[in-house]
Amino acid sequence: DTGVSQNPRHKITKRGQNVTFRCDPISEHNRLYWYRQTLGQGPEFLTYFQNEAQLEKSRLLSDRFSAERPKGSFSTLEIQRTEQGDSAMYLCASSFFGETQYFGPGTRLLVL
Amino acid sequence: AQSVTQPDIHITVSEGASLELRCNYSYGATPYLFWYVQSPGQGLQLLLKYFSGDTLVQGIKGFEAEFKRSQSSFNLRKPSVHWSDAAEYFCAVGGGNDMRFGAGTRLTVKP
Repeated sequence: DTGVSQNPRHKITKRGQNVTFRCDPISEHNRLYWYRQTLGQGPEFLTYFQNEAQLEKSRLLSDRFSAERPKGSFSTLEIQRTEQGDSAMYLCASSFFGETQYFGPGTRLLVL
Repeated sequence: AQSVTQPDIHITVSEGASLELRCNYSYGATPYLFWYVQSPGQGLQLLLKYFSGDTLVQGIKGFEAEFKRSQSSFNLRKPSVHWSDAAEYFCAVGGGNDMRFGAGTRLTVKP
């Protein structure tokens, strides 16, 4: 399978805990994006990388959120001290520069 | 600022009937336009895209969309809907790190 993969697919955690999600992009893609999608809404941009450099962060990305792409391949998104409002689907996408973005299946987070 | 409006939150059509999902956008330059489909609990799958050229774009699964600059629209159409088309459909504008999505239209297909 050469598509974008995300793990885990589902995560249930208690408020205050830290969680980490992983995204593996399509191998030849140099850009990787993170989005958040809440119920009944379209995806909202969080951040993106070109190779290992994080080039833009949305105002939605509070200081409890951090993303890395250390070797320009896979990426991780960590949420510290989770809140109930963090419950959402977290989507990863990749592209070759600014061309079409291809999405992974997402990680659904539920914070209790 | 760029934005996307999908006026219909939910549409119900009978299987075999035609379908049109509306999308209006606001963008300062010539837009890149996309339609994605999302099944419950899944990621987004690209149906089709418009970058330039022919304003009628063909996509996968028998879908097509027409870019109308004068109306700032990029409506998605399918001549005959199948039960498997039931899903959430998202229109998006922009590209690269500046892509904006509409709120989506949920399609229900009646037998």
